[in-house]
Amino acid sequence: DAGVTQSPTHLIKTRGQQVTLRCSPKSGHDTVSWYQQALGQGPQFIFQYYEEEERQRGNFPDRFSGHQFPNYSSELNVNALLLGDSALYLCASSPTDNEQFFGPGTRLTVL
Amino acid sequence: SQKIEQNSEALNIQEGKTATLTCNYTNYSPAYLQWYRQDPGRGPVFLLLIRENEKEKRKERLKVTFDTTLKQSLFHITASQPADSATYLCALETGGYSTLTFGKGTMLLVSP
Repeated sequence: DAGVTQSPTHLIKTRGQQVTLRCSPKSGHDTVSWYQQALGQGPQFIFQYYEEEERQRGNFPDRFSGHQFPNYSSELNVNALLLGDSALYLCASSPTDNEQFFGPGTRLTVL
Repeated sequence: SQKIEQNSEALNIQEGKTATLTCNYTNYSPAYLQWYRQDPGRGPVFLLLIRENEKEKRKERLKVTFDTTLKQSLFHITASQPADSATYLCALETGGYSTLTFGKGTMLLVSP
């Protein structure tokens, strides 16, 4: 059984560009959460998707948006990239309101 | 303001000793608290969950305590091994639907 997978592994963009990151949850998991982890910091909650709807949102601007598909996979979109958006973006899935299974992350560098 | 604080300095211990990591929080009332392990360049891996009505939880060499009065959790690794070297993250359930707020993490280094 594959765990949570994310693509791409690494990504380099320039300021002002847009980026889409992808996540496939662990089999049987219907809830997907996205986190941003800056260097030396803990992960920070961006938003959570359940039944193709954004169910919870952290303190992130509207430039951050997402989507969940019927097969529970999810995308994170970031528009108008800023240098400060450089971070490790983590996707986590969970079957219930308990432990979360994290993917390996996508390392985004904004130049 | 709301804060989650973990030991800011790296913790260096010798193999075989017990490592104790601290997580303190203010202005939260979490239903549960979790501990994760994170290796460089990888996603966090779940270790233990302890609920607000539980005082202690154990799993193999790991032990977690949760004091909701002190607003503190302690994470212990007994008989530590070099393979335990990693960053350990404390996370509080804050906002329902299992959304988590993480501390910055504590780096643990176990020397042979």
